[in-house]
Amino acid sequence: SAVISQKPSRDICQRGTSLTIQCQVDSQVTMMFWYRQQPGQSLTLIATANQGSEATYESGFVIDKFPISRPNLTFSTLTVSNMSPEDSSIYLCSVEDPWTGVPEAFFGQGTRLTVV
Amino acid sequence: RKEVEQDPGPFNVPEGATVAFNCTYSNSASQSFFWYRQDCRKEPKLLMSVYSSGNEDGRFTAQLNRASQYISLLIRDSKLSDSATYLCVVNSGATNKLIFGTGTLLAVQP
Repeated sequence: SAVISQKPSRDICQRGTSLTIQCQVDSQVTMMFWYRQQPGQSLTLIATANQGSEATYESGFVIDKFPISRPNLTFSTLTVSNMSPEDSSIYLCSVEDPWTGVPEAFFGQGTRLTVV
Repeated sequence: RKEVEQDPGPFNVPEGATVAFNCTYSNSASQSFFWYRQDCRKEPKLLMSVYSSGNEDGRFTAQLNRASQYISLLIRDSKLSDSATYLCVVNSGATNKLIFGTGTLLAVQP
């Protein structure tokens, strides 16, 4: 299985600031995914990040608010920009299984963000 | 109508019981189906893929009914450690994007 290290695990931020979340994988993977899980809700896909190309954003999410970097096949970052209390959520990165190709087979531990 | 619908529960069952969850999906073009498990304040973990012929992994059995567009998860001989939220996940069909259900909460009681 792939091991994902996601940092930070939690943060409390002031509104108007930005937070960058990092996701490091111990295997090379083509696709990485960023999700949001709001309290009591299921996971919502923010964007798909492929190495060497711009991330693909889902409806309701834009690059200016959630810029993503994917500099290589084992690393990605998601930035939550100009934060407001509505951005308080758990953010998770996910990768496909590099051996079976099952998508979103593995998740990072999540970043619990509170915006005050 | 939601793309993936699950009974939120909670399902409270005694140890050793058999419990089944159903999940319905709206996109008839969906091709991939999964069950994930999410413990409280933890990340989701893939429990099993669901195949057309149905599949079993130990105490867990997953079934797919394409005609009625639902999938099920059966847990036999429930353990306390099975207590978690079980997420039904379906791909969107055209884009392969995964759609997560809101989950069914299972609480196994001693």
